Amino acid sequence: AQKITQTQPGMFVQEKEAVTLDCTYDTSDQSYGLFWYKQPSSGEMIFLIYQGSYDEQNATEGRYSLNFQKARKSANLVISASQLGDSAMYFCAMREGTGNQFYFGTGTSLTVIP
Amino acid sequence: DSGVTQTPKHLITATGQRVTLRCSPRSGDLSVYWYQQSLDQGLQFLIQYYNGEERAKGNILERFSAQQFPDLHSELNLSSLELGDSALYFCASSVVPAGGLYEQYFGPGTRLTVT
Repeated sequence: AQKITQTQPGMFVQEKEAVTLDCTYDTSDQSYGLFWYKQPSSGEMIFLIYQGSYDEQNATEGRYSLNFQKARKSANLVISASQLGDSAMYFCAMREGTGNQFYFGTGTSLTVIP
Repeated sequence: DSGVTQTPKHLITATGQRVTLRCSPRSGDLSVYWYQQSLDQGLQFLIQYYNGEERAKGNILERFSAQQFPDLHSELNLSSLELGDSALYFCASSVVPAGGLYEQYFGPGTRLTVT
């Protein structure tokens, strides 16, 4: 089974609107971390936000928030007030507490429309 | 700027050749990870080192090898190159080894083209 599933290959959002990028994960560990990365067309991978499995509050970083639903094993990224510069690939990732490896999803391509 | 450096930025070589990609982690980070990103495979974890020792192995081919040196920089060696090895190779670093749920910071990547 895939450790990380991103079901939206591509998404479009109007500038200044909010958008949710979906991510579900699969693990039997109690301790794990969930991460989102942004990859613009220039290629670099930029860390956005982190959520620990024991964190009770949803993580927020500026316009980014992580909608963490543990029972459903989902960790959706919410971008508020979208900007043209948000157009990029977005990757969800997980690290299990018992392992060293990061698992990445296949990514979602977000396009912000002016 | 993540603080992780990778050289070279671009590399073009022929099939059958061998290349070395270099990575310097962020100051203070002891863990280095290597990833391959190709169009058809997505982001694939290759290998992780912590303070000079191999800690985890992913989908790394036998033609590929890596090491981490005492100054913590790491090198990824790719040999007997094939057309399918063309990809963007990322190095990432983090401060903690196993069990630490901290983010990784990625370098800018090395784009390898095999002709």
